Amino acid sequence: QSALTQPASVSGSPGQSITISCTGTSSDVGSYNLVSWYQHHPGKAPKLMIYEVSKRPSGVSNRFSGSKSGNTASLTISGLQAEDEADYYCCSYAGSSTYVFGTGTKVTVL
Amino acid sequence: EVQLVESGGGLVQPGGSLRLSCAASGFTFSSYWMNWVRQAPGKGLEWVANIKQDGSEKYYVDSVKGRFTISRDNAKNSLFLQMNSLRAEDTAVYYCAREYRAANRDWGQGTLVTVSS
Repeated sequence: QSALTQPASVSGSPGQSITISCTGTSSDVGSYNLVSWYQHHPGKAPKLMIYEVSKRPSGVSNRFSGSKSGNTASLTISGLQAEDEADYYCCSYAGSSTYVFGTGTKVTVL
Repeated sequence: EVQLVESGGGLVQPGGSLRLSCAASGFTFSSYWMNWVRQAPGKGLEWVANIKQDGSEKYYVDSVKGRFTISRDNAKNSLFLQMNSLRAEDTAVYYCAREYRAANRDWGQGTLVTVSS
């Protein structure tokens, strides 16, 4: 149950695209298409942005997209906006009904 | 509208106990797996435990096994987390969340648990 690895920080200018990686192992990310992504503004409830690797819940902007290759999942934010500045976490099913979150990435809009 | 409201947090001494509650509304509570997720100060999110719709299956992160117990009362649309033998490292904001398609679809605002002497 080791945390998935994410970069500590990623930054970009308004309008640019950024990608956040989430690296796990063959026991979690690599074995299941059950990766989700969360946006978390400090002091507020986390918000689901992506589930099942690449699906967006209703109401989430199509500027957010997800993908996976091998043991690494990715979240891409296109057309970066000031309101996207937040912490982002990936999460993967890890078997036996357990889950593991990523270490978290702070996104800064320059 | 889905609402999840946690309560029961507070200051407790090391070795003490606390019971968290989560009141759910706006959805058929008995139809969903439910999760507890926590965030220690300055740290990331950590999955803590989950429970099946009928309470027949419960799973925990290794660090809380044997100390925490998740439970639910479907008649009262409520989720619980009994926390015993608390340690300083259990200090965190605890969130309850509704699970859907292996993701936490809806979250509460969280309740702060502080373990300190």
